[in-house]
Amino acid sequence: AQSVTQLGSHVSVSEGALVLLRCNYSSSVPPYLFWYVQYPNQGLQLLLKYTSAATLVKGINGFEAEFKKSETSFHLTKPSAHMSDAAEYFCAVNIIQGAQKLVFGQGTRLTINP
Amino acid sequence: KAGVTQTPRYLIKTRGQQVTLSCSPISGHRSVSWYQQTPGQGLQFLFEYFSETQRNKGNFPGRFSGRQFSNSRSEMNVSTLELGDSALYLCASSSLAGGNTDTQYFGPGTRLTVL
Repeated sequence: AQSVTQLGSHVSVSEGALVLLRCNYSSSVPPYLFWYVQYPNQGLQLLLKYTSAATLVKGINGFEAEFKKSETSFHLTKPSAHMSDAAEYFCAVNIIQGAQKLVFGQGTRLTINP
Repeated sequence: KAGVTQTPRYLIKTRGQQVTLSCSPISGHRSVSWYQQTPGQGLQFLFEYFSETQRNKGNFPGRFSGRQFSNSRSEMNVSTLELGDSALYLCASSSLAGGNTDTQYFGPGTRLTVL
């Protein structure tokens, strides 16, 4: 079964520091991977998605992620954290061909220290 | 384009009651999926509808049901509410132009509290 694991339920960084949120997937077929962000009392917003066109994917708000098949990873990074990045981040995989059924990781809450 | 809208945003019910939640997808989107979000279980897939047909269903009891109308609007219903049904219910729509690489756009959710 396809699944994703997010390492670290809480990550805290200083403003201006590198943000690294980890996601590993397990999949028997080429995965379609997504990163979503959720701000308090809101729904999910897509940050970026991997669709096999390129291994380095750039998203909104300065985030990017690199698909590494050998490591079964899709870690999310941002070079310089901003206070507005404080939110919960979810990695997800779409597991059914031609359908919409996302399987989410448990989420990582990102805190930015001034 | 207007985003995904969900009504109501907040709902309080008591055990044993039933509830209906509504979702209006982005104009032109024909696929609507529902997810339950709780602190303990995280985000879990409930079901997906496409062209008024349920295509996929998650591992939830039969008390959870849904439907989709010809205009792609969708409703989900939970009967005989239990305390554990308290959650944020999220609806997402997608255009399905590219299969399972399509982006799902999420609504703000309906916060259901069962007392």
